[in-house]
Amino acid sequence: EVQLVESGGVVVRPGGSLRLSCAASGVSFDVHTMHWVRQVPGEGLEWVSLIDWSGTYIDYADSVKGRFTVSRDNSKNSLYLQMNSLRTEDTALYYCALEENGALAYWGQGTLVTVSS
Amino acid sequence: DIVLTQSPLSLPVTPGEPASISCRSTQSLLRSNGYNYLHWYLQKPGQSPQLLIYMGSNRASGVPDRFSGSGSGTDFTLKISRVEAEDVGVYYCMQSLLTHPHTFGQGTKLEIK
Repeated sequence: EVQLVESGGVVVRPGGSLRLSCAASGVSFDVHTMHWVRQVPGEGLEWVSLIDWSGTYIDYADSVKGRFTVSRDNSKNSLYLQMNSLRTEDTALYYCALEENGALAYWGQGTLVTVSS
Repeated sequence: DIVLTQSPLSLPVTPGEPASISCRSTQSLLRSNGYNYLHWYLQKPGQSPQLLIYMGSNRASGVPDRFSGSGSGTDFTLKISRVEAEDVGVYYCMQSLLTHPHTFGQGTKLEIK
């Protein structure tokens, strides 16, 4: 069974930094592109970032480009999102998701990031 | 960016009745390989999104056969042949033709009458 478990979400002040982690199990992590998607509670889904299996191809939503950095450690079956210069509008539940057949086939339960003074 | 427009945004349905959700794209999602890069998700209350349909019409593993996806190019439809109580939640379409950025529809909230 594929499991994705996010962690690292906390309350942080505007301008602060945070690193989210996503631990994968039950899957060959090192062959899959991974994504981060966020959701403001009660609102829709917003794609944030992706990283291909090797870490060679990386992309970000314009709203986070230059502030967020995605990375992975295939030896640890783990995905990361370094979030800097956080803004109140970054407050959301952050999901990691595994891509298969072009779709986000498996999702974690999410970790809540709150940016507030 | 590719914009996906879903309709309706709210869908009250009587159990046992069919339901249909439309997703329209501002550009074709059909790639030269013959696949439509359009996917459907259901987010049940309090849960993470789950994949229902990938590449326009392929049911994901474990998805009941009352769910079906159709369409090509810019117009897509998710159909539920007979709605059950467990189908309540918000349905999203998502495109992955353009990786920058992947985009989602606004969501359609299905509720039981």
